[in-house]
This record gives sequence, structure tokens and C-alpha cells, in this order.
Amino acid sequence: DIQMTQSPSSLSASVGNRVIITCRASQSIKNYLNWYQQKPGKAPKLLIYAASNLQSGVPSRFSGTGSGTDFTLTISSLQPEDVATYYCQQSYSTPPYTFGQGTKLDMK
Amino acid sequence: EVQLVDSGGGLVQPGGSLRLSCVVSGFTFRSYEMIWVRQSPGRGLEWLSYISESGDTTYYAESVKGRFFISRDNARNSVYLQMNSLRAEDTAVYYCAREEVHRDRGDYESLDSWGQGTLVTVSS
Repeated sequence: DIQMTQSPSSLSASVGNRVIITCRASQSIKNYLNWYQQKPGKAPKLLIYAASNLQSGVPSRFSGTGSGTDFTLTISSLQPEDVATYYCQQSYSTPPYTFGQGTKLDMK
Repeated sequence: EVQLVDSGGGLVQPGGSLRLSCVVSGFTFRSYEMIWVRQSPGRGLEWLSYISESGDTTYYAESVKGRFFISRDNARNSVYLQMNSLRAEDTAVYYCAREEVHRDRGDYESLDSWGQGTLVTVSS
């Protein structure tokens, strides 16, 4: 199975800061990479698919880049409502489509 | 409005069985692949199982292969997860999710709608 590793595991940032979360795959997954946001007690929400495509309704301060094995999720200007845990997920080839371990983002 | 409603969770003893259900509405269920994902307390997301639109093709994570079985009833707009030989480490919130396929220079699959989750506790 393909392993997904996120960094950092947690981070704190201030309102308005730029935040970058990285995700690394154990082998090339081209651009078959999704990002999700999960708030406490809630189901995950899709933010980005195919590495860089913003899901409908997601604010434009979220963006994704990368291909091959290295990917990033960027929040250009952190807002209070962005406090959450973020997960990457690969969807390359056949399942299982594994998730990263998550990055917990809170407000400084 | 797209809705997925998970149910069937509860307390079960080790070695026991449980069947989870996910009833959907607001979209053409038979046209979508479906997934089960779980999240152990305080832990991350774990992809568990996949079923194709017709139910002909299924996949499982190694951690549940041979114990869990996914199925669907397109007439009832429902997907199921039969869980057997349950262990303490299966304790988690279980989510069903809809798999959207974005066909743009490739088939890009993502989970664009989720149920609210149902808690399974395996304990004596």
C-alpha cells in the first residue's frame, strides 16, 4: 500500500498568517491527491482534488500544489474558522486510497 | 440536497458482529461508488472499503480484509458494512462517503459527501 506522511503533525498560527502543510507519498502518485478539512465532532470536508483543483464552495484562500511524491496545501491568510485537522489522501491506481496521519492547526 | 445517514453502531463484545447502514438521498445512488472510512478515538482517518456502482467490485484495507464485507442495495439507496470478528481496535466512528470521479485528463476520485458517522465500541 502507498504510505502518506504529513508534516508537521501540528502547528499554531495567527490570523492572517500564511500556512503551509506538506504531504509526501511513498511512491509517485502523479497528481492523484486530495485534501480534506475536519473540524471537531464533524465529518471531513473535501477541499481540493487532483492536487490543485478547488472543490466547489471552498474559499479561494485554500490552494494545493505538487505532483509525484510531494504536495502542499496552503492557506494564504488564516481565518479563525480554519482551525481544524487537515488530511491528505492519495487516489492513485487501485484502492486502498490511504490517508495521511493528519495535521492539527490551531490559532496562536 | 445530498444526504448520507449512517446508522447501526453500538456496543458489541469482542468477537461479535455488527452491520452498519448508510441511507442516501438527493442524488442518483446507483451512479456512484461508495466508501467506508473510520476514525478511532483521537486518531486519524482510515480508509476501509470500496464498492462499485453495481456492487460487482469491492476492495478492503488489509486491517479488515476477511472480517468486514461491503454491500449495497441500489433499490433501497443503501450501502452496508457487515463487520465480523470484531476486536477492541475496531472501536471507532464509521463514516460512509460518496466517491466523486472527476474526469479531466484522468479519473480523479475524491470523497465529496460524507455521512455524520456512527460510533462502534468493541468492549466486554
